[in-house]
Amino acid sequence: DQQVKQNSPSLSVQEGRISILNCDYTNSMFDYFLWYKKYPAEGPTFLISISSIKDKNEDGRFTVFLNKSAKHLSLHIVPSQPGDSAVYFCAASAPGSGTYKYIFGTGTRLKVLA
Amino acid sequence: NAGVMQNPRHLVRRRGQEARLRCSPMKGHSHVYWYRQLPEEGLKFMVYLQKENIIDESGMPKERFSAEFPKEGPSILRIQQVVRGDSAAYFCASSPSDRSYNEQFFGPGTRLTVL
Repeated sequence: DQQVKQNSPSLSVQEGRISILNCDYTNSMFDYFLWYKKYPAEGPTFLISISSIKDKNEDGRFTVFLNKSAKHLSLHIVPSQPGDSAVYFCAASAPGSGTYKYIFGTGTRLKVLA
Repeated sequence: NAGVMQNPRHLVRRRGQEARLRCSPMKGHSHVYWYRQLPEEGLKFMVYLQKENIIDESGMPKERFSAEFPKEGPSILRIQQVVRGDSAAYFCASSPSDRSYNEQFFGPGTRLTVL
């Protein structure tokens, strides 16, 4: 039972353009969402997070949007850079099952073309 | 200002052997989490520990797997009598507390290969 879904396994974007990575979830109890970036042979690196009381959070080139009614979040990267090429995981947690227990999606591999 | 450290980075074991994976959290962090990533899948929560205490092991297989975080030294994930299906990347993460909105910082992982 995949509670956090990233339906696009891969995405290619031209350098300088916007990258949009999507994530859907099924558990309405999730109240905290995160995006991690992962390079090969490294651990995930935290990028940005959002709590369910907000619908948008920005940090530099990265913006996360949360649509609670659709149970959907997205990560926008603008402008995209070749160094952004990595696998991006969204993750969620719920207060009832432990805010520490992150449920991860299967990841989207982003390739930014120079 | 070292991050989360894991060793070994790569571990090869034959079926039936034991695997020990070590994790040193970031300085000042007293909460440790272990995750497993199977090929082509996301990370799956295994266990959450504080010093000398297992807080939540709901993601751990019932047999052969154990974890500890002693008062001194790193956290250890131990897999006894490994089988081929245990081949995966095992990631450790740490945080300064488990309160809400506190992201976890991940180590580089240990890639376990069972022959």
